[in-house]
Amino acid sequence: DAGVIQSPRHEVTEMGQEVTLRCKPISGHNSLFWYRQTMMRGLELLIYFNNNVPIDDSGMPEDRFSAKMPNASFSTLKIQPSEPRDSAVYFCASSLTSEARGEQFFGPGTRLTVL
Amino acid sequence: QKEVEQNSGPLSVPEGAIASLNCTYSDRGSQSFFWYRQYSGKSPELIMSIYSNGDKEDGRFTAQLNKASQYVSLLIRDSQPSDSATYLCYNKLIFGAGTRLAVHP
Repeated sequence: DAGVIQSPRHEVTEMGQEVTLRCKPISGHNSLFWYRQTMMRGLELLIYFNNNVPIDDSGMPEDRFSAKMPNASFSTLKIQPSEPRDSAVYFCASSLTSEARGEQFFGPGTRLTVL
Repeated sequence: QKEVEQNSGPLSVPEGAIASLNCTYSDRGSQSFFWYRQYSGKSPELIMSIYSNGDKEDGRFTAQLNKASQYVSLLIRDSQPSDSATYLCYNKLIFGAGTRLAVHP
């Protein structure tokens, strides 16, 4: 199995631009998680899906952030408009089990820099 | 507000020693706990899970859970320089801040 795939691996954009991060979970996994990691705030859950349905989006910072999971093999995290404080590493993870009771497999992350 | 607390470190131990990493949590009803390891510039990877009170051993790693005290720990025996990483405690959608471990030769 290829593991969790994320793209792009690096993204540099200017403030105000739209950013779309993509994730392909491990085949057969039914939960998908989006995290953001910074030195100041650590690893924070933004949103998680179970069977393609958003279950908990309480970590989504504000309306500028949106996430979708149109099918079991693809998810996107969009930031519009982007701001310098959005600069972080964004991880996608997937799990075989529902909620957060099982092992999560992380993708390599997308390093986002907003100038 | 549910919390998972860890000492950020760094925790410095000599090669061959036992490294002890600690974590406290606030959700009394929690049933499952996980330890992830994250090397610098890499993504987290699961190294241990524990669901019941007591100890769980896997090679050089031992996870300990005490639900009454809301405390979970990770012991690394015979620490190696390759164990130098940040160790993250995880419970119910929340990661602790992580403890940075440095094993020096």
